[in-house]
Amino acid sequence: DTGVSQNPRHKITKRGQNVTFRCDPISEHNRLYWYRQTLGQGPEFLTYFQNEAQLEKSRLLSDRFSAERPKGSFSTLEIQRTEQGDSAMYLCASSFPDAAKQFFGPGTRLTVL
Amino acid sequence: TQLLEQSPQFLSIQEGENLTVYCNSSSVFSSLQWYRQEPGEGPVLLVTVVTGGEVKKLKRLTFQFGDARKDSSLHITAAQPGDTGLYLCAGPPRGGSYIPTFGRGTSLIVHP
Repeated sequence: DTGVSQNPRHKITKRGQNVTFRCDPISEHNRLYWYRQTLGQGPEFLTYFQNEAQLEKSRLLSDRFSAERPKGSFSTLEIQRTEQGDSAMYLCASSFPDAAKQFFGPGTRLTVL
Repeated sequence: TQLLEQSPQFLSIQEGENLTVYCNSSSVFSSLQWYRQEPGEGPVLLVTVVTGGEVKKLKRLTFQFGDARKDSSLHITAAQPGDTGLYLCAGPPRGGSYIPTFGRGTSLIVHP
């Protein structure tokens, strides 16, 4: 299967801990996006990369959130000092430069206790 | 304020019924995408509409893009339980840097 994969699928952590999520995009895609989705809402854009360059990061929710895509392939999203309000589904998507057609991974469900 | 407003928010119908869901904005979009999302999974792209007035059909699903490219609709004929899910519209507003915008979605339940 050559779709977008995300790991882990579920993460339960205690408030104050750091968490890191991984996304492996479709290999031919050079754009990679991170979103957050809470119950009853559509996906909320966080950041995106074109190859290894992070082109938009102003929408990251706070300075506790950071993302990397060091070699232009997989990406990681880190949340430091997690808070209960960070509990959500974190989605990754990838696309060709025709950014409108995005292909999503299954998401990582984060629960902060 | 949502850039893309979707209605209705919830819809519960019986198998075999027809339905239409709407995606509206005051902004012009270069294109609009429709996705379906099942619980615990990521959204799956159904269709992209690009040209004002465009109509696309995907089996029992008919998608239309408004002439002014500010709105779109999704019509499902003879709904089936497998159509159950969250229907999301999304798109890049015309002009400026590309930041994908999603509506809140319409949650559809089709009862057998």
